Amino acid sequence: EIVLTQSPGTLSLSPGERATLSCRASQSVSSSYLAWYQQKPGQAPRLLIYGASSRATGIPDRFSGSGSGTDFTLTISRLEPEDFAVYYCQQYGSSRRLTFGGGTKVEIK
Amino acid sequence: QVQLVQSGAEVKKPGASVKVSCKASGYTFTSYYMHWVRQAPGQGLEWMGIINPSGGSTSYAQKFQGRVTMTRDTSTSTVYMELSSLRSEDTAVYYCARRNQQLVVDYWGQGTLVTVSS
Repeated sequence: EIVLTQSPGTLSLSPGERATLSCRASQSVSSSYLAWYQQKPGQAPRLLIYGASSRATGIPDRFSGSGSGTDFTLTISRLEPEDFAVYYCQQYGSSRRLTFGGGTKVEIK
Repeated sequence: QVQLVQSGAEVKKPGASVKVSCKASGYTFTSYYMHWVRQAPGQGLEWMGIINPSGGSTSYAQKFQGRVTMTRDTSTSTVYMELSSLRSEDTAVYYCARRNQQLVVDYWGQGTLVTVSS
């Protein structure tokens, strides 16, 4: 079973700054079946990135994903006020099960 | 447009069962698997299992084996998740979430809060 470890746990930044979030897998994620979600309080998660680097429909281009194998990164190039939220990485694939990272909270500094 | 609409909040006593529904619309119901994911208060996301609405086959996380049952009704485009022998640790928001043809979880229901309390 793959374990996903996200770091840091909390990121304190100001609007306009760049955010870099890390997701490390305990073993290689096949075919880059790695997604990123944003969750705001009281809301369901929202798909941002799939296949490690493909933006979902309607997601602004300030969000980008990169990485392969065991190391993945979500970058928000310039934080907007609505970007302060919790972000989860998720491994998916043909096994049908899902695995989530513990989340990174991006908070206003 | 794709919509997943879940049933309302529930309050249950320890030992009871709860059945949460998720009604799908805006796409061909039987063509997309559905996951169930839960989130305890202030905690992360936890995968519970998946159902194939076409044939009804399921796969459950080992943690919930024996306590969870996922079913579907193709006539109403609804999937159900029933969790039995509830305990306080099962207090959480339960989400249904659609898996698309690329295996990506792309749409989520609004969530159903299940509170287990004596």
